[in-house]
Amino acid sequence: ETGVTQTPRHLVMGMTNKKSLKCEQHLGHNAMYWYKQSAKKPLELMFVYNFKEQTENNSVPSRFSPECPNSSHLFLHLHTLQPEDSALYLCASSSLVVNTEAFFGQGTRLTVV
Amino acid sequence: AQSVTQLDSQVPVFEEAPVELRCNYSSSVSVYLFWYVQYPNQGLQLLLKYLSGSTLVKGINGFEAEFNKSQTSFHLRKPSVHISDTAEYFCAVSEYNQGGKLIFGQGTELSVKP
Repeated sequence: ETGVTQTPRHLVMGMTNKKSLKCEQHLGHNAMYWYKQSAKKPLELMFVYNFKEQTENNSVPSRFSPECPNSSHLFLHLHTLQPEDSALYLCASSSLVVNTEAFFGQGTRLTVV
Repeated sequence: AQSVTQLDSQVPVFEEAPVELRCNYSSSVSVYLFWYVQYPNQGLQLLLKYLSGSTLVKGINGFEAEFNKSQTSFHLRKPSVHISDTAEYFCAVSEYNQGGKLIFGQGTELSVKP
């Protein structure tokens, strides 16, 4: 596989469920990101990880819990979500040496019911 | 802090006509500028980017953009569009050497009609 891969592509979950989104990059990058794309709103950066360490959390509610076990994998653990959390969640990666571009995955379409 | 404004939320155009999608940005520091395209149910694909140097940037699929520092603009153009160009287009900005940390505009929906 190449590029940035996200699973699952679609997820429907109830407000009391716990689920996780997975992202894997095969580009040798050492920075990974979660973005949220809601209807009628610009894409928003949620979290930034550099060399597995979280360097940025843009005031994201604690019901979203990221995890980065190594530079190739990024997870977003979800619990007690609200219907307004329904969105497309996009993972991206970039090099920290020459950080001139983000490479995006296909996204996970999340619906909270 | 940076911000991006895409001046048109929807642009309808006929096939083979030229198109311009407008983007203005604001920043107090040096920035990189990007245009991404998103096809239905897909992620973002980079069309082109401006890092430095020549202000006219050529990208994939026949698109080009011009960086205008005095007008803080980065408009996207294509001389002749195809039906397959129908998609949503996002302008984005990042600080120097922070190309993964993007601030996006609201997006412009380009609709190409036969």
